[in-house]
Amino acid sequence: EVQLVESGGALVQPGGSLRLSCTTYGFTFSSYGMNWVRQAPGKGLEWVSVISGSGDVIYYADSVKGRFTISRENSKSTLFLQMNSLRDEDTATYFCVRKEWVGNAPFDYWGQGTLVTVSS
Amino acid sequence: DIQMTQSPSTLSASVGDRVTITCRASQNINKWLAWYQQKPGKDPKLLIYEASSSRSGVPSRFSGSGSGTEFTLTISSLQPADYATYHCQQYGSYPYTFGQGTKLEIK
Repeated sequence: EVQLVESGGALVQPGGSLRLSCTTYGFTFSSYGMNWVRQAPGKGLEWVSVISGSGDVIYYADSVKGRFTISRENSKSTLFLQMNSLRDEDTATYFCVRKEWVGNAPFDYWGQGTLVTVSS
Repeated sequence: DIQMTQSPSTLSASVGDRVTITCRASQNINKWLAWYQQKPGKDPKLLIYEASSSRSGVPSRFSGSGSGTEFTLTISSLQPADYATYHCQQYGSYPYTFGQGTKLEIK
């Protein structure tokens, strides 16, 4: 059974940093692209970042470029998101999401999300 | 970036009703359109991909259509479990973008 389990969400002050993790189970992690998608309270979904299975292709949303860093450790089937210079508008639930890397593919499995609150 | 516009933002309907949600893309995305269902406090679930292909296990009352810039999600006979928020997403090119969501409420 495919499972994605996020952790690391917390209350952090503006300007602070946080590292999210997503531990995965039930599939060959290195064969899939992995994304972070966020959802501010009461709002829609916003794609944040993607990393290819091998880690050599990475994209970011303009809203986080230069502040967030996505990475992965395939030996541990784990995805990370390092978030620096956090702003109030980064407050959201962050979802770890899987997609097939070859060709165009939708997001087929999502984690349950981890809440990041940026507030003084 | 490709903008995705969903309508309506909120839809009130009764059990048994046929409902349709529309999603428009700001440029041609061919068939690279997905629909997700999200219930409060939960993660989104993939329903439809490639505009009209149903994911395995999704009830047959859900169907998708369209190509290019105009897409629809139809629920043929609304069931109590269908009250949720529905999101469309284009995955033709990064940044992948979502519509603002359509909240389906009980009438």
